[in-house]
Amino acid sequence: ILNVEQSPQSLHVQEGDSTNFTCSFPSSNFYALHWYRWETAKSPEALFVMTLNGDEKKKGRISATLNTKEGYSYLYIKGSQPEDSATYLCAFQAGTALIFGKGTTLSVSS
Amino acid sequence: SQTIHQWPATLVQPVGSPLSLECTVEGTSNPNLYWYRQAAGRGLQLLFYSVGIGQISSEVPQNLSASRPQDRQFILSSKKLLLSDSGFYLCAWSVLQALNYGYTFGSGTRLTVV
Repeated sequence: ILNVEQSPQSLHVQEGDSTNFTCSFPSSNFYALHWYRWETAKSPEALFVMTLNGDEKKKGRISATLNTKEGYSYLYIKGSQPEDSATYLCAFQAGTALIFGKGTTLSVSS
Repeated sequence: SQTIHQWPATLVQPVGSPLSLECTVEGTSNPNLYWYRQAAGRGLQLLFYSVGIGQISSEVPQNLSASRPQDRQFILSSKKLLLSDSGFYLCAWSVLQALNYGYTFGSGTRLTVV
């Protein structure tokens, strides 16, 4: 059974704080690692898809890194804003389908 | 542009009743289609996926089934619902191996079995 672990489970920060989350995944049969943002009452939205060891991707204040050899990825948010409040999901792809972690729920207070 | 439609948004069904959730995709051909479920306190669990008409792969043994009667239509069904079938059901699609765009999700169906 493939297991994708995310930590922490939840996080509460103040506006302007920078934060990061961890995703651990199997280091074998790796094809890609996805990050999604899931806001309340909306559909999960793709942030990044990473395939190569050492990949770093950035979108605005959000960035992600990938280490396929040791099986982990970090998601960073610089200068958190209240609109960043959401659940952040990572998903491991070995074949066609994605295996999701349980997510990290971020709450940003103004 | 590609869109995905999923309905209904909310459903309350008695135990033992049948279920049919429908998902359709517009603006793309031969997509990979997926059904996921989030039960209370749990992460998104892959239920079924399909790479083509009539081709269904099941990831979790349960009393649910899926069908793909048309290229852009994916249906989740049950003959008799159980209380444990309650949850939030999401349909998604992707093209090829989704390496550039990731998955696109529908708006979801909140199913409560009573």
